Amino acid sequence: QQQVKQSPQSLIVQKGGISIINCAYENTAFDYFPWYQQFPGKGPALLIAIRPDVSEKKEGRFTISFNKSAKQFSLHIMDSQPGDSATYFCAARGGGGKLIFGQGTELSVKP
Amino acid sequence: NAGVTQTPKFQVLKTGQSMTLQCAQDMNHEYMSWYRQDPGMGLRLIHYSVGAGITDQGEVPNGYNVSRSTTEDFPLRLLSAAPSQTSVYFCASSPGGRTGKPQHFGDGTRLSIL
Repeated sequence: QQQVKQSPQSLIVQKGGISIINCAYENTAFDYFPWYQQFPGKGPALLIAIRPDVSEKKEGRFTISFNKSAKQFSLHIMDSQPGDSATYFCAARGGGGKLIFGQGTELSVKP
Repeated sequence: NAGVTQTPKFQVLKTGQSMTLQCAQDMNHEYMSWYRQDPGMGLRLIHYSVGAGITDQGEVPNGYNVSRSTTEDFPLRLLSAAPSQTSVYFCASSPGGRTGKPQHFGDGTRLSIL
């Protein structure tokens, strides 16, 4: 049972373009939605996070859009750079502080 | 400040062998957890602990044991390794509770079971 579904599985974007990754969740009890960035050979690192009472959060070039009624949230990377090439995971926090992760999106930004 | 330290970084086992993956954190975090990462499946929670002496199962606990005797350490034991346990294992810690604080991940243990 996949409680958090992430798409696309892979994404290729030109430098300067917008990268968009989408996630959908099922459990309305989730109370915290982080996005993690992972480079090869490293552990995931928190990129940006949002709570369900907020519809949008922006930090630099990274924006989370949250649609509570549709149970969907997305990550937008503006002005994508080759250094943004990484695997991105959305997640949702449930009971006991447990994080449920999406399947991951491998982003490649071409120069 | 080392954060979350995992050892070993790489390990090859034969089917049926047992081993312990080590995880230590120096941030005095209450919450610690173990995940496995497999292609196309994201990170799946194996076991977690909300404090010393308290552990609970995650999504995929079968074949793994944990204990939490101290705040700092949270080892993961493979009882009898199987090829299906070939994966990258990540340990994470956070202050715990609904603080909104992020989970800090180690750099992983890459485990191959032959």
